[in-house]
Amino acid sequence: LAKTTQPISMDSYEGQEVNITCSHNNIATNDYITWYQQFPSQGPRFIIQGYKTKVTNEVASLFIPADRKSSTLSLPRVSLSDTAVYYCLVGGGSGNTGKLIFGQGTTLQVKP
Amino acid sequence: DVKVTQSSRYLVKRTGEKVFLECVQDMDHENMFWYRQDPGLGLRLIYFSYDVKMKEKGDIPEGYSVSREKKERFSLILESASTNQTSMYLCASSSPGQVGEPQHFGDGTRLSIL
Repeated sequence: LAKTTQPISMDSYEGQEVNITCSHNNIATNDYITWYQQFPSQGPRFIIQGYKTKVTNEVASLFIPADRKSSTLSLPRVSLSDTAVYYCLVGGGSGNTGKLIFGQGTTLQVKP
Repeated sequence: DVKVTQSSRYLVKRTGEKVFLECVQDMDHENMFWYRQDPGLGLRLIYFSYDVKMKEKGDIPEGYSVSREKKERFSLILESASTNQTSMYLCASSSPGQVGEPQHFGDGTRLSIL
């Protein structure tokens, strides 16, 4: 079964760019890579999704190398309000729900 | 904006009780999910439903069942609650298409089994 691994925690300062990498060596051909943000006492919230290469939206970028065995969420110029837990999710492309695999989550602490 | 509502934020039950967790979404989504979230383990999929009365097992279905009688409502049932089912339970929904479509989550039910 696919395993999704990400760092447990990261620290940053306001205004810096933050990159969080997720490892997914056993990703299947049709799997998506999706990132979610979660604040305390709330459910996860969708940030960005990609399949290959680079995806950018108004809040983040997602970099996926050609072999797709890892992915990097990039948050430009973080602020204190970006302090949260970030989850990487791999799967969902094949229709097999058993392959929706979340990482353990990365707690990002942004300092002033 | 999509709203996924879980009926209780906090719930305390006793070992052996039958427990019902309810989830309602207001966007006419076909897909609905139940997860449990535990420290250090992230989110783990319990069950998934892709239509009324349709369901599929996730990674950890043992000890749980689900019911989807109406499109907007997805219930998680703990047949005989045990202490190892103390956890945060999260419901989510997504639009039709691939299971990997972005999911919209409720704010969770923190369940304690005594």
